[in-house]
Amino acid sequence: GAGVSQTPSNKVTEKGKYVELRCDPISGHTALYWYRQSLGQGPEFLIYFQGTGAADDSGLPNDRFFAVRPEGSVSTLKIQRTERGDSAVYLCASRYAGTAIYEQYFGPGTRLTVT
Amino acid sequence: AQKVTQAQTEISVVEKEDVTLDCVYETRDTTYYLFWYKQPPSGELVFLIRRNSFDEQNEISGRYSWNFQKSTSSFNFTITASQVVDSAVYFCALVREGSQGNLIFGKGTKLSVKP
Repeated sequence: GAGVSQTPSNKVTEKGKYVELRCDPISGHTALYWYRQSLGQGPEFLIYFQGTGAADDSGLPNDRFFAVRPEGSVSTLKIQRTERGDSAVYLCASRYAGTAIYEQYFGPGTRLTVT
Repeated sequence: AQKVTQAQTEISVVEKEDVTLDCVYETRDTTYYLFWYKQPPSGELVFLIRRNSFDEQNEISGRYSWNFQKSTSSFNFTITASQVVDSAVYFCALVREGSQGNLIFGKGTKLSVKP
């Protein structure tokens, strides 16, 4: 079946602009995660959704970052007043949350470049 | 606090050599899960293996094998008879039981297999 998809694959924006990054999880996966991967680093957790609600947003770096998942499927990560330090690959992952913790399936990521 | 350390930043081998990627983790939890992911140049994280803290049996899957030792808090990954297609960044990750499943990643080891 279809995997996790993310759009756009690449986004270049100017400092101070607003951006939205989209994630389409695997159908039926109620758990959804956003991670940020800076160059040469491992992914770092940003936010976790269980259904429509953000169950854990402790990884969001500041209030410029916000994410929604209004219908419990597609999620959008929103970044206001972008800064050069926001440049990274933003990864989305989903998993079936019906049982114990299992592997998360990752999308290809969105590479964000803030100039 | 949980932490994953991958001390090897980059490894370069010649095809058909065996190579071991090291992973050391820190956690105070008694129940947790360990993972290995592969990130090829395309960027998508590919799940390789999951291990829970109560299962210290080593596992072999084709040319891949994993050695989990709680006594040394290590979860090392060995590729036997490496191939050029194994070239990628490999991440070790940790999830503690009872969490929301947020993966805690190491910084990754970049493996280059030369023909």
